[in-house]
Amino acid sequence: KQEVTQIPAALSVPEGENLVLNCSFTDSAIYNLQWFRQDPGKGLTSLLLIQSSQREQTSGRLNASLDKSSGRSTLYIAASQPGDSATYLCAVGNNDMRFGAGTRLTVKP
Amino acid sequence: NAGVTQTPKFQVLKTGQSMTLQCAQDMNHEYMSWYRQDPGMGLRLIHYSVGAGITDQGEVPNGYNVSRSTTEDFPLRLLSAAPSQTSVYFCASSFRGEKLFFGSGTQLSVL
Repeated sequence: KQEVTQIPAALSVPEGENLVLNCSFTDSAIYNLQWFRQDPGKGLTSLLLIQSSQREQTSGRLNASLDKSSGRSTLYIAASQPGDSATYLCAVGNNDMRFGAGTRLTVKP
Repeated sequence: NAGVTQTPKFQVLKTGQSMTLQCAQDMNHEYMSWYRQDPGMGLRLIHYSVGAGITDQGEVPNGYNVSRSTTEDFPLRLLSAAPSQTSVYFCASSFRGEKLFFGSGTQLSVL
């Protein structure tokens, strides 16, 4: 059974700092990996999707990497802003997607 | 496009009652799924569908039924509500292997 872990559970940083969120998974035979953002009381928004054959994806200030052999992915956020404050979740799989519990990020002005 | 629409947004049930959570998407996605989100546990997959007439169980299917008679709709039925089913429920859809689009969620309380 695929298990997905995200560390840390919460992170607080000052505005402008670069930061890395971590995601690890137990079964390297994944179809793809997605990073999501969730604001309080809202649904999830997909930020980046990495196919199993890819190593990274970039969108604006966000960069996600995937290392299947070690069962790890990282989400790098450059020059963080207060508007980046949210919970970030990673998920792996295809039809049967498994989610991590998320990292709650707070960016302080 | 409205995206993924879930109704209702809030619901309170008594133990033993049944109800249906509605989910509709207008993006012609073949894949649709239902998740529940509980504090500290992330999202857990209840049921999913890869096309009209095709459904399958996820990680936590007990106590829930689904059907997929059209591409657009994927309702989730609670047969006999229990307090353990108190949660936030999310519906999601996508083209196979592509980004998931989520609805805004249904907050369900079972007393």
